[in-house]
Amino acid sequence: QVTLKESGPALVKPTQTLTLTCTFSGFSLSTNGMRVSWIRQPPGKALEWLARIDWDDDKFYSTSLKTRLTISKDTSKNQVVLTMTNMDPVDTATYYCARSHHSTYFDYWGQGTLVPVSS
Amino acid sequence: DIQMTQSPSSLSASVGDRVTITCRASQTISSYLSWYQQIPGKAPKLLIYAASSLQSGVPSRFSGSGSETDFSLTISSLQPEDFATYYCQQSYSNSITFGQGTRLEIK
Repeated sequence: QVTLKESGPALVKPTQTLTLTCTFSGFSLSTNGMRVSWIRQPPGKALEWLARIDWDDDKFYSTSLKTRLTISKDTSKNQVVLTMTNMDPVDTATYYCARSHHSTYFDYWGQGTLVPVSS
Repeated sequence: DIQMTQSPSSLSASVGDRVTITCRASQTISSYLSWYQQIPGKAPKLLIYAASSLQSGVPSRFSGSGSETDFSLTISSLQPEDFATYYCQQSYSNSITFGQGTRLEIK
């Protein structure tokens, strides 16, 4: 059974760095073709893809946010970590991690974690 | 980045209706197009991938079509649980993008 779960802070202050962890089970990120992405959704707005890491440690970032994002993986812990620097209130959103396998559509999603950005 | 434009942005329909949502890409994306359903407060759910392939477990009343730049999602006979927001997503480019969403409401 494939599951993913996001974890992170309850609140972030402007200018701080956000660190999110996606902990997953039911698959291995060392398996050929496996990928994990981060996607966010501001309240009442559309989905926005942020970053992806592949089984071979290839990494891809949103064009508009790439200077602020870093994605990494710990295969032994079944975790993917996303950091986003210089947080702003407009970054308030639910952050999801999602899996894809030999593709770039997302077949399994975490439940999401809401990250408010406020002073 | 490739822009994905959905229409309409919102739609009112009744149980049993046939509805179609369209998605247009700003450049050709072959068949690298997926559709998701999102119920408020929940994570998106994959419905269709590769433009027209039905994800396992998704009811057959959902279907997808199209290629290159123009795509559509059709629900053949709306059920009460289908009232939700629908998103298209392209994966032709490594910089993945979603449409702005189509909210399907009960008439």
